[in-house]
Amino acid sequence: KAGVTQTPRYLIKTRGQQVTLSCSPISGHRSVSWYQQTPGQGLQFLFEYFSETQRNKGNFPGRFSGRQFSNSRSEMNVSTLELGDSALYLCASRYWDGNTEAFFGQGTRLTVV
Amino acid sequence: AQSVTQLDSHVSVSEGTPVLLRCNYSSSYSPSLFWYVQHPNKGLQLLLKYTSAATLVKGINGFEAEFKKSETSFHLTKPSAHMSDAAEYFCVVSDLGYGNKLVFGAGTILRVKS
Repeated sequence: KAGVTQTPRYLIKTRGQQVTLSCSPISGHRSVSWYQQTPGQGLQFLFEYFSETQRNKGNFPGRFSGRQFSNSRSEMNVSTLELGDSALYLCASRYWDGNTEAFFGQGTRLTVV
Repeated sequence: AQSVTQLDSHVSVSEGTPVLLRCNYSSSYSPSLFWYVQHPNKGLQLLLKYTSAATLVKGINGFEAEFKKSETSFHLTKPSAHMSDAAEYFCVVSDLGYGNKLVFGAGTILRVKS
């Protein structure tokens, strides 16, 4: 079956702009989580959506938001971009709960200039 | 709170020798534990998982890990390293008591010398 698809793969934005990233999970998976990966901070949890509801949220400012659609596809949005938002953003797809493994997409590389 | 400590940021081994990547975790409930691998400019691939069944877990590509509750450890091993094993490895904990979110260790970069 198809894996987790993230689009776009690469983005370059300028400070102050906003950006929307997309994630299509594995068919049948209802949980989608987002992670930010940077060399300095490693992998940090942004938020998790399950059945269109945000189930968990990490410690990020309100500029970071997300949503999930009825087909489980998810988007995350970052407004008023800052240079420090440059990172690899990874989406993880899970069937149900914490005992099941997460499958990751290839990520979206965001560069803010 | 959950946390994961990967005890080595870099490990270097010769091809054909054993690999040991060390991981300690902290969790108040009954955790699930995972090891993921990330090759350069790639996403994360699951190597193996522990979810309260057998404490010795076998994964892909000859890797295995042993869950030791008394030591709160989940070390990753492989009997014989291959050049293709060179990558970054992440130990991850997930706990239903903490909303299922994955908490990652800082990562261990494995270098394999020919």
